[in-house]
Formats: sequence, C-alpha cells, structure tokens
Amino acid sequence: QQQVKQSPQSLIVQKGGISIINCAYENTAFDYFPWYQQFPGKGPALLIAIRPDVSEKKEGRFTISFNKSAKQFSLHIMDSQPGDSATYFCAASKYGGATNKLIFGTGTLLAVQP
Amino acid sequence: NAGVMQNPRHLVRRRGQEARLRCSPMKGHSHVYWYRQLPEEGLKFMVYLQKENIIDESGMPKERFSAEFPKEGPSILRIQQVVRGDSAAYFCASSPPVGGQGNSYEQYFGPGTRLTVT
Repeated sequence: QQQVKQSPQSLIVQKGGISIINCAYENTAFDYFPWYQQFPGKGPALLIAIRPDVSEKKEGRFTISFNKSAKQFSLHIMDSQPGDSATYFCAASKYGGATNKLIFGTGTLLAVQP
Repeated sequence: NAGVMQNPRHLVRRRGQEARLRCSPMKGHSHVYWYRQLPEEGLKFMVYLQKENIIDESGMPKERFSAEFPKEGPSILRIQQVVRGDSAAYFCASSPPVGGQGNSYEQYFGPGTRLTVT
C-alpha cells in the first residue's frame, strides 16, 4: 500500500515534442505529490508538486495532471528540449502525519533528441 | 541562501570500516531526511529527524546504521562495519518547520554522498 508505480522506465522524445510520465499510488492517505528531476551525479531537484484539492497545476512547460478517483498523476513536459534529458521521479507523502517521508517511484530516464 | 550541503561527496571505505556522512540543512530548515539510492533504482526513505529527535526510522536497517541531528552541527548518518551492499548514493533532504518560511512539506535535496565499499 506504500508503493508508487511509475512508467515508462525510459522515454525518447523528439525536440519540441511532449513528454508524458505516469504514476499510480495505492495509499489514499497520500496528499502531496511532487516530481523531482535528477541529472547524473546530482541530487534530485524539486520540479513541481500538487495537492489533491486541484486536478492540474502548470508551471512553465511543466504540468501535473491529477486524477484522485483513479489514484493517478502524470507529468507533462511541453516543447521538450535536450536540456530536459534527465531522470524524473514521482513521489507521494502523507503530510502532517507522524512522518513526511516521501515514497518514490522507480524513475523515468528521459532522452530528448535534437 | 546556500542549499543543502553534504560531505564528503565521495567516500571510499574497506569492508568492516565505519562510514560517517554529514548533512547541513538549508538555512531555516529544522527537518532532515536521509534517503538511499542504489544503482539504477529510485530513492528509498531511511530516517526523518528533527533537532535532537528521531521522528521516523522505519526505513533504517536494524543493525549497523544510526542517525543523529544534534542541537548544534550537522546531521550525521553513521554506518558501522560497512559491507559491499552498502555501496550507494546517500541523499539528505531538508524542509522548514511548520509555520516557518516556505512549505513544510517541500523537501530539498543535497548533492549526495557516493559511498563505495571495496
């Protein structure tokens, strides 16, 4: 019940295309869903996050879509650029409980071809 | 405003030695989390600490691993008698306290310590 399942494992997109990464969770108590971007040899960087009171959040070229009834959320990267090539992790947590630990998906390696 | 700092960035230890990893949270942050990332895998939660308190250590192996976050100084993750399976990247994240500046549920990660056990 603590798992977060992420797909696809890897993704190749042409420059200017849309990259879509999906995640599904089981624990209905989760109420905070961030996405992190990680470049090789670096730490994960918080990209964008959503709480379940909204179905979509957009920041620049990055959009999170959230479907509470399906327990799914996805990251859309519009106008993908070669500089977006990185590993993306979704995560989930239950804010305000005994712990704010993040449960991470297994990651998606995105390659944007020029 | 400096981000989360971790040192050392790379650490090589022989089997049986001790590894000590340090994490200084962002200024104003009083919550620290440690995560481990094995090669080609996602990040796994290990422990969550506030100043002088361990709040959740449900992800910590029961033996050889310990963590602390003293009143003064950095948080430390200690691994005693390291084995090859401990080779991984260890990341620290921090978040502000409830009522502090920023969202207390947003965790910001450091650059990690890459531990290699030979």
